[in-house]
Amino acid sequence: EAGVTQSPTHLIKTRGQQVTLRCSPISGHTSVYWYQQALGLGLQFLLWYDEGEERNRGNFPPRFSGRQFPNYSSELNVNALLLGDSALYLCASSLSGQGANIQYFGAGTRLSVL
Amino acid sequence: AQSVTQLGSHVSVSEGALVLLRCNYSSSVPPYLFWYVQYPNQGLQLLLKYTTGATLVKGINGFEAEFKKSETSFHLTKPSAHMSDAAEYFCAVSRYSGAGSYQLTFGKGTKLSVIP
Repeated sequence: EAGVTQSPTHLIKTRGQQVTLRCSPISGHTSVYWYQQALGLGLQFLLWYDEGEERNRGNFPPRFSGRQFPNYSSELNVNALLLGDSALYLCASSLSGQGANIQYFGAGTRLSVL
Repeated sequence: AQSVTQLGSHVSVSEGALVLLRCNYSSSVPPYLFWYVQYPNQGLQLLLKYTTGATLVKGINGFEAEFKKSETSFHLTKPSAHMSDAAEYFCAVSRYSGAGSYQLTFGKGTKLSVIP
């Protein structure tokens, strides 16, 4: 069974540009989570989607946005890129947004902003 | 607010020695607790989780963790370190964030080095 897949694996952008990251969850999972892992800052929760709806949002500005499609795949969009947006962006999926459900992670998209 | 503290951003052990990675959490209610491992250039992989019941939880690769409510701790241990255990380890707590939703909060991670 395929795990969580993310694309692209690496991305280089310049300041001010926009970027779209993609995530396909494990088959049967309806919840998708996005995290930012910046150097020295650990994993920061960005967004949670379940059944096509945004259920929760971390402490990030509105230029970080996303959506979930009917097949439960998801996109993360970041507008007006800043140097500080350089990070590994991780997507995770789970059966539903319940506390004890395990989140399974993809390998991430490494974004470099120059 | 929920928080997770991992003591020591870097831990070094000799091959064959005990591995002890510390995690403390703040929570007003019993939480769900997780340990994840991240190998270089990879995503996170679940090692083990605690929900309810037995407080000593066994995970993959010989790791285990004990939930101690009185100490608000969930330390990760392994009796004998292998070179392949070198990675970054994250403790995480799942907390209820309202409207039927839960949020996973991670510690800042502990990088484990294993010395031959």
